[in-house]
Amino acid sequence: GNSVTQMEGPVTLSEEAFLTINCTYTATGYPSLFWYVQYPGEGLQLLLKATKADDKGSNKGFEATYRKETTSFHLEKGSVQVSDSAVYFCALSDRWGNNNDMRFGAGTRLTVKP
Amino acid sequence: DSGVTQTPKHLITATGQRVTLRCSPRSGDLSVYWYQQSLDQGLQFLIQYYNGEERAKGNILERFSAQQFPDLHSELNLSSLELGDSALYFCASSVDGDTQYFGPGTRLTVL
Repeated sequence: GNSVTQMEGPVTLSEEAFLTINCTYTATGYPSLFWYVQYPGEGLQLLLKATKADDKGSNKGFEATYRKETTSFHLEKGSVQVSDSAVYFCALSDRWGNNNDMRFGAGTRLTVKP
Repeated sequence: DSGVTQTPKHLITATGQRVTLRCSPRSGDLSVYWYQQSLDQGLQFLIQYYNGEERAKGNILERFSAQQFPDLHSELNLSSLELGDSALYFCASSVDGDTQYFGPGTRLTVL
């Protein structure tokens, strides 16, 4: 079946450091890939998405590229801020008709220190 | 703000009780999804509805049920509650069956 594996946290970085959170997936079809972010006490917010191979999703300085050859969708940001402290979830959506099989990774907690 | 609303925000109840969680999807979204988030199990998909019909089931217990009404709001019913049911329950909605938008969640505490 479909699954998502993301690097375990927690991750602690200093402000302005480079961030990478690894995510790999297993899917039988051609899924869409997502990164969601969850700030303390809130629900998940869509951060970025990519719907086909070689697509790059980007938002708020975060980027991730859909790599079919390595089945990966790693999240990167060149310079993190304290406000980026949150839990990040990688997810895939394998869609058929109006249904979809949505799978989430376990989440990676990021703490950015000033 | 995702446009998805959930009530109540917090719920405290006792073992053996029954509760109902409510979700209103974004305007125009026909699909509603329910998830459970707990510390030990992570984010677990429970069930999906599309325009009033059940479309997919995940790890939903038999004590749990859901429905989607003609106005597209959805309710998740949890009965015979156990301590282990304490968790955050999220609702999400989607218009294209692909990208999901999440509500703020309901925190359920079973004492």
